[in-house]
Amino acid sequence: DIQMTQSPSSLSASVGDRVTITCRASQNIIRYLNWYQKKPGQDPKLLMYAASSLEGGVPSRFSGSGSGTDYTLTISSLQPEDFATYYCQQSFSTPLTFGGGTKVEIK
Amino acid sequence: QVQLVQSGAEVKEPGASVKVSCKASGYTFTDYYLHWVRQAPGQGLEWMGWINPNSGGTKSAQKFQGRVTMTRDTSINTAYMDLSRLRSDDTAVYYCARGRSTMNHQADFWGQGTLVTVSS
Repeated sequence: DIQMTQSPSSLSASVGDRVTITCRASQNIIRYLNWYQKKPGQDPKLLMYAASSLEGGVPSRFSGSGSGTDYTLTISSLQPEDFATYYCQQSFSTPLTFGGGTKVEIK
Repeated sequence: QVQLVQSGAEVKEPGASVKVSCKASGYTFTDYYLHWVRQAPGQGLEWMGWINPNSGGTKSAQKFQGRVTMTRDTSINTAYMDLSRLRSDDTAVYYCARGRSTMNHQADFWGQGTLVTVSS
């Protein structure tokens, strides 16, 4: 199975901050990488697919990049509604493993 | 509009089985895979498997093989996930989600989740 390691596991940030979350795969996943946002009591929301393709309706302050084994999700200017937990998921091979999550909290 | 509506919460004893349903509407049911994902309390997301509603073919994570059965009824646009031999660590919210492509498997629409509690 491909292991997905996210860092940090949590972070505190202020509204307006630039936030970067990193996801590392245990092998090359050739950009088969999705990002989801999860809030308590809500179902996950797709943010990004194929590493850098923004899902329709997702604000442009979200961006994704990376290749090979290393990927990042960046929020250019954190907004109050962005406080949530973020998960990467590789879709290169089954099982489609998720990272452990990054909880973004208010500083 | 695309909707996935899941069955209600369940409480089961250890060793029992649970069957969660996921009714799709607003799109052609057989055109998209359905994934099953769970989240245990305080834990992250865990992919369980998928079903191809067109063929009925399935793929599950090895962790669940032998315990999970995914089926569908195309006449009522509904998918089912049956988990047997339940243990306390199967307590989780179970989600179905539509996979928009068979390349990136990005899950673009999700059900509301079904809480399954395993307790004696």
